[in-house]
Amino acid sequence: QKEVEQDPGPLSVPEGAIVSLNCTYSNSAFQYFMWYRQYSRKGPELLMYTYSSGNKEDGRFTAQVDKSSKYISLFIRDSQPSDSATYLCAMTNAGNMLTFGGGTRLMVKP
Amino acid sequence: EADIYQTPRYLVIGTGKKITLECSQTMGHDKMYWYQQDPGMELHLIHYSYGVNSTEKGDLSSESTVSRIRTEHFPLTLESARPSHTSQYLCASSVGTGYEQYFGPGTRLTVT
Repeated sequence: QKEVEQDPGPLSVPEGAIVSLNCTYSNSAFQYFMWYRQYSRKGPELLMYTYSSGNKEDGRFTAQVDKSSKYISLFIRDSQPSDSATYLCAMTNAGNMLTFGGGTRLMVKP
Repeated sequence: EADIYQTPRYLVIGTGKKITLECSQTMGHDKMYWYQQDPGMELHLIHYSYGVNSTEKGDLSSESTVSRIRTEHFPLTLESARPSHTSQYLCASSVGTGYEQYFGPGTRLTVT
């Protein structure tokens, strides 16, 4: 079983929809949780990070962590075609080594 | 946009050839990483470095080697390429705690 599970998609939504992306994990030692966005033929870029449980909001993006359920989410409000990309969750137990999910491919249709 | 560069972007090479994938960053970051990413799959860490003359193997076993002679430069070498090495190779760097990693655009390697 993988340490971090993520539905590969693709997830197709109309422009303006609220998008929910999720990851589950098995290692209870993870404390830092990140979401990276990867456009086609590019390297990943950090979108948001959260420490421990709770919510964090940045513009149209909200990251949510539920450590009791070992479940993290990324919500995108008012989705735009430019949000079409692969979204990777990543986590660590405060070291420098990140454990990544396989990514969810999101397509936002105009 | 992060100042981390990888060359070449695409490489098609025959079995048995020696190749070096270049990675450079201009941000002065002390930590650098090499990941391997197959389509639709997780990034797997193959090498990392915490500074000059420091290199370690990552979680994924790899036949490649790395060196870190200068802070800004972290090349990856395959002595004898095989079709099983066909993949995308991503270089990244970070500072501090390391969870905010800056990635290069990647090198897509095909070994025929």
